Amino acid sequence: GAVVSQHPSWVICKSGTSVKIECRSLDFQATTMFWYRQFPKQSLMLMATSNEGSKATYEQGVEKDKFLINHASLTLSTLTVTSAHPEDSSFYICSANSGRGLGTQYFGPGTRLLVL
Amino acid sequence: KNEVEQSPQNLTAQEGEFITINCSYSVGISALHWLQQHPGGGIVSLFMLSSGKKKHGRLIATINIQEKHSSLHITASHPRDSAVYICAVLPNTGNQFYFGTGTSLTVIP
Repeated sequence: GAVVSQHPSWVICKSGTSVKIECRSLDFQATTMFWYRQFPKQSLMLMATSNEGSKATYEQGVEKDKFLINHASLTLSTLTVTSAHPEDSSFYICSANSGRGLGTQYFGPGTRLLVL
Repeated sequence: KNEVEQSPQNLTAQEGEFITINCSYSVGISALHWLQQHPGGGIVSLFMLSSGKKKHGRLIATINIQEKHSSLHITASHPRDSAVYICAVLPNTGNQFYFGTGTSLTVIP
């Protein structure tokens, strides 16, 4: 089946550091990828929709200058948390649309970010 | 109001028990996913449903589109089934999933 990978799985960084998270579709091309954030004991919240070759669409309340998204190829989207602060500590998850119907999305395993 | 409601929120079962987790939603959908999230966070998609019933090993997922309801069943539960199970629906309009808050399952040996 289709697989989506994320790298890194874990990242611990100092406050003020920028952190890049990669999301790759391993055996299919994804024109659309989605980035989610999950706080402890809460459900996933959509942050932005990443479209290959165009600007990402951010959800209300998500700062686009804080969370930079680049979808430079059909198999890779990156989320960069700029000048991370402790309140950015969270679990970040991506999903990719395989194009075989909108419901055919595959989820990455997630990246846990801890900002000290 | 959340578009997706799951019940129960927490569930503790003895090993071997039959488990049911329910998901109700309020919008017309084109697809529903059941996701499993183990401690440590990794998410695995168990099923994608648009109608009927699917079975994979000890897991069974059903959906009733008219009643806007889906169930996830686990037969002969095992401690390794302990995880959070999340229902996610894709509305007919748009491409954004709505997620339930999850059901935390603990299976005791």
